[in-house]
Amino acid sequence: QPQLQESGPGLVEPSETLSLTCSVAGDSVISFIYDWGWIRQAPGKGLEWIGTISDRGTRYYNPSLKSRVTLSVDTSRNQFSLSLSSVTAADTAMYYCARGGIGYCTNPLCHGRRTHWFDPWGQGTLVSVSS
Amino acid sequence: SYVLTQSPSLSVAQGETATIKCGGSNIASQSVHWYQQKPGQAPTLVIYYDNDRPAGIPERFSGSNSGNTATLTINRVEAGDEADYYCQVWDGDSDHPGVFGTGTEVTVL
Repeated sequence: QPQLQESGPGLVEPSETLSLTCSVAGDSVISFIYDWGWIRQAPGKGLEWIGTISDRGTRYYNPSLKSRVTLSVDTSRNQFSLSLSSVTAADTAMYYCARGGIGYCTNPLCHGRRTHWFDPWGQGTLVSVSS
Repeated sequence: SYVLTQSPSLSVAQGETATIKCGGSNIASQSVHWYQQKPGQAPTLVIYYDNDRPAGIPERFSGSNSGNTATLTINRVEAGDEADYYCQVWDGDSDHPGVFGTGTEVTVL
């Protein structure tokens, strides 16, 4: 299993931009069978998908965050990154990066629909938004 | 966007069976994945493609998916299974493809 490690500031001021990087060891971000995702978890709350990016630049975003999120991949450093602008206290959360598995649903009712899952995950990094 | 609903909590005696449900409209037409999150840890994948186990996941963990409900079953529950469990689908037909369930906290008695 590859290892993923998030890095970035643990404290961001309101209205500023949160920037995180996920370093991947033991796998390449250049892949036809995996993409790369970000998920967050506010304190005491559930998991919220932020977005997913492939090495070819295909991006999927949570529409509730889309206007503020930028995802990028740096193949030379084997990293991918998250940028979230205009942060507020509501963006305080544990941020996780994860490798995205890509497959096609085998259930007859799925009609071969594409599916994604997340495995493995980084350990997470806590980001607090406060002045 | 697609909504996945889980019961907030579940208590089960050690050695018994835990049944964790995930409700969604016609969820049987989706591939469902399940994650275990122990306190203070990152989530780990325990079931994907409705009922496949990643390497290292015990056979005690199994999944099913029918109608409007997907189910994660944990047989012979152990103290170490105490965790939050989340279901997840990828709704590629919508503008919000990555969807997690609301999560179920499993307590082992």
